[in-house]
Amino acid sequence: DTEVTQTPKHLVMGMTNKKSLKCEQHMGHRAMYWYKQKAKKPPELMFVYSYEKLSINESVPSRFSPECPNSSLLNLHLHALQPEDSALYLCASSSREGSYEQYFGPGTRLTVT
Amino acid sequence: SQQGEEDPQALSIQEGENATMNCSYKTSINNLQWYRQNSGRGLVHLILIRSNEREKHSGRLRVTLDTSKKSSSLLITASRAADTASYFCATDAYNYGQNFVFGPGTRLSVLP
Repeated sequence: DTEVTQTPKHLVMGMTNKKSLKCEQHMGHRAMYWYKQKAKKPPELMFVYSYEKLSINESVPSRFSPECPNSSLLNLHLHALQPEDSALYLCASSSREGSYEQYFGPGTRLTVT
Repeated sequence: SQQGEEDPQALSIQEGENATMNCSYKTSINNLQWYRQNSGRGLVHLILIRSNEREKHSGRLRVTLDTSKKSSSLLITASRAADTASYFCATDAYNYGQNFVFGPGTRLSVLP
């Protein structure tokens, strides 16, 4: 199984809502990533988890809160978002952190109203 | 800071023609990867070339890496309409303090 799944596919939320994005992989990968992608732009790295520990936080605002409950799951908790946070949020995994190919999920299209 | 930069930003060709996309980067790297993204979907890994490699092939794909010029190229031969997508190079330079960074991408349109 070389699939990374993400739920939900689409999410519309108000600026006062709290929601979560979920990502799952069963490839035994020990590194997982969150990216943010705006239209016609490349993905921008937000967070990296390595062996369930936060390895990299690319100075992401605290209204985004990642969580890695176990080696297969990655969550992104959202609270008090701004309209400019509307984007495609991509999850990826790789066997280890570092110079390895990444497997991407289909993304969650987030709209903040 | 942006590491990889693609050239051209957009490319339109006829089916059967070859498509060449270029990527430049600024610092030393561990490896360079190419990814494809169909509109609004997740990225698909195409090929990884390590810093000590000069050329790599995978099916209709050929990637070159010139570390002296800090550049890479992706050649797609005998293009098909299904190759229409955005193509991104991505560099990692973990040994040099640089995290995984994608270039701006090339939007390829293959016309039937």
